[in-house]
Amino acid sequence: EIVLTQSPGTLSLSPGERATLSCRASQSVRSNYLAWYQQRPGQAPTLLIYGASRRATGIPERFSGSGSGTDFTLTISRLEPEDFAVYYCQQYGNSRWTFGQGTKVEI
Amino acid sequence: EVQLVQSGAEVKKSGESLKISCKGSGYSFSTYWIGWVRQMSGKGLEWMGIIYPGDADTRYSPSFEGQVTISADKSISTAYLQWVSLKASDTAMYYCVRGNFGGDSFDYWGQGTLVTVSS
Repeated sequence: EIVLTQSPGTLSLSPGERATLSCRASQSVRSNYLAWYQQRPGQAPTLLIYGASRRATGIPERFSGSGSGTDFTLTISRLEPEDFAVYYCQQYGNSRWTFGQGTKVEI
Repeated sequence: EVQLVQSGAEVKKSGESLKISCKGSGYSFSTYWIGWVRQMSGKGLEWMGIIYPGDADTRYSPSFEGQVTISADKSISTAYLQWVSLKASDTAMYYCVRGNFGGDSFDYWGQGTLVTVSS
């Protein structure tokens, strides 16, 4: 089973700053089947990025995903107040889906 | 509009059985995978398992296989997550999710069902 490790655990930034979140896989992620989700307090997660770099419907351009193989990155170019939340990466392979442990982006 | 609407919160005792539901609407229910994700209080997301309603093909995370049963009734566009004998450690929020067209990520999430199990 592929294990995803996210870093850092917590990112303390201010509105307007750039956020860079990392997700490292224990093995190569097939076909770049790597997704990112945002979870605000008290809400269900929402899909931000799939296929490592494709924005989901309705997701603002300030969110971007990159990477391949075992190293992936979510970048938020300029943080808006509503972006302070927890972010999870997730991979798919061999009929298994696994999540990383999450990165909290806080003010 | 795609929607996944889950059944309401449950309070149960250890040893009791439970079946929670997730009704899909606004899309062809039979042709998209539907999965379940657990989130314990203050913790991360854990994929539990997934079903393809069209042919009932079901996959489980090794961590949950044998602990829960996932099923679906495509005639009423509803998926289910079932326990035979609940434990206090099953206390969590449970989300149903729709697999995207490729099945590699989850593009729609239900609102969550909070299950509380007292010992």
